[in-house]
Amino acid sequence: NAGVTQTPKFQVLKTGQSMTLQCAQDMNHNSMYWYRQDPGMGLRLIYYSASEGTTDKGEVPNGYNVSRLNKREFSLRLESAAPSQTSVYFCASSAVRVNTEAFFGQGTRLTVV
Amino acid sequence: DAKTTQPTSMDCAEGRAANLPCNHSTISGNEYVYWYRQIHSQGPQYIIHGLKNNETNEMASLIITEDRKSSTLILPHATLRDTAVYYCIVRLVSNFGNEKLTFGTGTRLTIIP
Repeated sequence: NAGVTQTPKFQVLKTGQSMTLQCAQDMNHNSMYWYRQDPGMGLRLIYYSASEGTTDKGEVPNGYNVSRLNKREFSLRLESAAPSQTSVYFCASSAVRVNTEAFFGQGTRLTVV
Repeated sequence: DAKTTQPTSMDCAEGRAANLPCNHSTISGNEYVYWYRQIHSQGPQYIIHGLKNNETNEMASLIITEDRKSSTLILPHATLRDTAVYYCIVRLVSNFGNEKLTFGTGTRLTIIP
């Protein structure tokens, strides 16, 4: 079972460059999430999507855009990367019912120089 | 969303029970308590969740106080592989089924040989 798949696993960007982080899940989950984790910190929610066609801001949405392309895929875009966006990015998905767990991808390590 | 408070770090001897506390004094009636852990820099892993009754699975036990303002995660026989950051999360589900999964800073548990 693939679960939640993130691509790429590693990326180095120059300041001002743009890129899209891809996330796909094969569990037919309605909800998907993007988090960032800075060194020594907990996970902070960037954006989430409760269902296909809807997205909402989390704690730290500035500098990011998202697209819920279909039920499987939820992408995160950095339009103009900044060094402050150097972080590990995690995608997650869960079913909409309250008593279910969320599954996480293995993360994308992004460095902006 | 209710906030959670956890100790920053804890140590536990290998083979002993590890008891990780969490305070969630502002929890509301429709919010569940979830526990996740993160080993090294991998994606977080679900452990257990509960509403008001104590719960047990193959990984851990969850004890929730009667007033639901605090809980304790118990790893009955800790091993070195249980060294990780443990997150206590209170999960909100709105009337529209939208939900957020908000992480705090967690407890860094170190199992001592």
